[in-house]
Amino acid sequence: DAGVIQSPRHEVTEMGQEVTLRCKPISGHNSLFWYRQTMMRGLELLIYFNNNVPIDDSGMPEDRFSAKMPNASFSTLKIQPSEPRDSAVYFCASSFSGHEQYFGPGTRLTVT
Amino acid sequence: QQQVKQSPQSLIVQKGGISIINCAYENTAFDYFPWYQQFPGKGPALLIAIRPDVSEKKEGRFTISFNKSAKQFSLHIMDSQPGDSATYFCAASIEGGSYIPTFGRGTSLIVHP
Repeated sequence: DAGVIQSPRHEVTEMGQEVTLRCKPISGHNSLFWYRQTMMRGLELLIYFNNNVPIDDSGMPEDRFSAKMPNASFSTLKIQPSEPRDSAVYFCASSFSGHEQYFGPGTRLTVT
Repeated sequence: QQQVKQSPQSLIVQKGGISIINCAYENTAFDYFPWYQQFPGKGPALLIAIRPDVSEKKEGRFTISFNKSAKQFSLHIMDSQPGDSATYFCAASIEGGSYIPTFGRGTSLIVHP
């Protein structure tokens, strides 16, 4: 199994641009999580999907952030417009109805 | 609201020493307590986990100690090795719930050779 796949691994963009992060969860997993990691705030849960349905998006910082999961094998996190304070490492994680989460390698986003 | 408090923020240990990281939680409904290990440039990975029906769980050089009455749990790394240098996160979640873990802020461990 390839594990959770995220793309791109690195993204550098200018303020105001749209950014789309992609995630392919482990096949058979039914829960998907998007996290943001920064030195200041640690690991923050942004949104949680179960069976492709968003269950908890209370961690999404503001309307500039949106996430979709059109099917069981793909999810996107979009930031529009991006701001320098969005610079962070974004992780996608998946699990199968349980506590153990499998994290992807992350996308390092830099907004200049 | 920080429901899981982790300390210390950073830890430096000599090779062969014992590394100890502590976590305290507030929500008594938590019933699953995992530790994740994160190497630079990688995502966190589950290292070891414990449920509150036991006070200790050991896997190789890694041991979780759990004190339900004090609402505290800790990770002990025996015979620490340079390869253990990483960031460690404790977490807590509720079984039968949404399985969303609440993470501690992390501890950066450096093991000197």
